[in-house]
Amino acid sequence: ETGVTQTPRHLVMGMTNKKSLKCEQHLGHNAMYWYKQSAKKPLELMFVYSLEERVENNSVPSRFSPECPNSSHLFLHLHTLQPEDSALYLCASSQGSFYNEQFFGPGTRLTVL
Amino acid sequence: TQLLEQSPQFLSIQEGENLTVYCNSSSVFSSLQWYRQEPGEGPVLLVTVVTGGEVKKLKRLTFQFGDARKDSSLHITAAQPGDTGLYLCAGYTSGTYKYIFGTGTRLKVLA
Repeated sequence: ETGVTQTPRHLVMGMTNKKSLKCEQHLGHNAMYWYKQSAKKPLELMFVYSLEERVENNSVPSRFSPECPNSSHLFLHLHTLQPEDSALYLCASSQGSFYNEQFFGPGTRLTVL
Repeated sequence: TQLLEQSPQFLSIQEGENLTVYCNSSSVFSSLQWYRQEPGEGPVLLVTVVTGGEVKKLKRLTFQFGDARKDSSLHITAAQPGDTGLYLCAGYTSGTYKYIFGTGTRLKVLA
């Protein structure tokens, strides 16, 4: 595997389900990001992890819970989501200070019923 | 609230035409980036500009950062079908550590 991979690529869940999105980067980077991309709003930065510590949380509802067990892996745990949470969730990584060139994964298309 | 507005929102042109996409804000940015996103993929970085008035060229693409670092433009010369995609600008403010994306321009180049 190369670059940034995300699994699953597609996910359909009910509002009472609990699921997790996984991101893995094979670039040796030390910062990882979660973004939300929906049809009606600009790409939104959700969380930033640098050296495995969360350094930014952009007022994201608590039904989204990130986890970064090491510098190569990032998870987004989902529970009791709402239909308006349906979107493309993108993971990215970068090296060094925040907002250096970010490399994005292909995203997970999430549908909440 | 910082906002990066892109125009036009949608653009459909014939192969060989030229086009310009704009990215505007009332805020000053420390740096600004342009990405292109194709269906089923994440955005891919095209360029980063950091100095007011800076112009960068990437083959047929020319990027300019406004003198006041509040706006940017992307000009494509002789567009090709391979240029089709969603173009996103993104600005970073070092003082507030904020990074925001623009509203996006969806470009379609017809053969």
